[in-house]
Amino acid sequence: NAGVMQNPRHLVRRRGQEARLRCSPMKGHSHVYWYRQLPEEGLKFMVYLQKENIIDESGMPKERFSAEFPKEGPSILRIQQVVRGDSAAYFCASSPNSANTEAFFGQGTRLTVV
Amino acid sequence: DQQVKQNSPSLSVQEGRISILNCDYTNSMFDYFLWYKKYPAEGPTFLISISSIKDKNEDGRFTVFLNKSAKHLSLHIVPSQPGDSAVYFCAASGMGGADGLTFGKGTHLIIQP
Repeated sequence: NAGVMQNPRHLVRRRGQEARLRCSPMKGHSHVYWYRQLPEEGLKFMVYLQKENIIDESGMPKERFSAEFPKEGPSILRIQQVVRGDSAAYFCASSPNSANTEAFFGQGTRLTVV
Repeated sequence: DQQVKQNSPSLSVQEGRISILNCDYTNSMFDYFLWYKKYPAEGPTFLISISSIKDKNEDGRFTVFLNKSAKHLSLHIVPSQPGDSAVYFCAASGMGGADGLTFGKGTHLIIQP
């Protein structure tokens, strides 16, 4: 029973490139949350998705960031035209329902923008 | 504007003693609180939670206390063990837990032998 899988674990992008972060939820989980952790900070909520639907994107920056969770395949967090301030650890959590007590986190993707 | 605050960046406790981690919040709409443990290069692991209708929840060595009037919660670990050394995050949610979590900045707990 594999846990939440995030890939890549580490991603280096030059300023202006695109970053794609993938999250495969645990089997049977249809709810996905994305969080970002800046250095010396706590995790900050970005977006909550169910299969094919964005439920809450109140934590997403208005520009350059988008997320999807298609019917088949992993959830994708996409960052266009990355800037140095996007460098952070991005965590995904999945759950079988909307209760956060049953949410399991992946190991994260560490994005470095050079 | 930090809605969940963990004012101690680090805490050092002797093995076998009690560890007490504190958390304060400002948003009175929060009604569900959670504690997570995080090792370096890993994702957070859920530890224990408490609903605002309770003032205490216990699970093995872990107990969470909630003081709603003071908007304060604490996590007690007793007895502390070397494997407890990690960063502990306090998190809060409205809607009974069914939305994105608001995290504190974390407290690095160090258990000394």
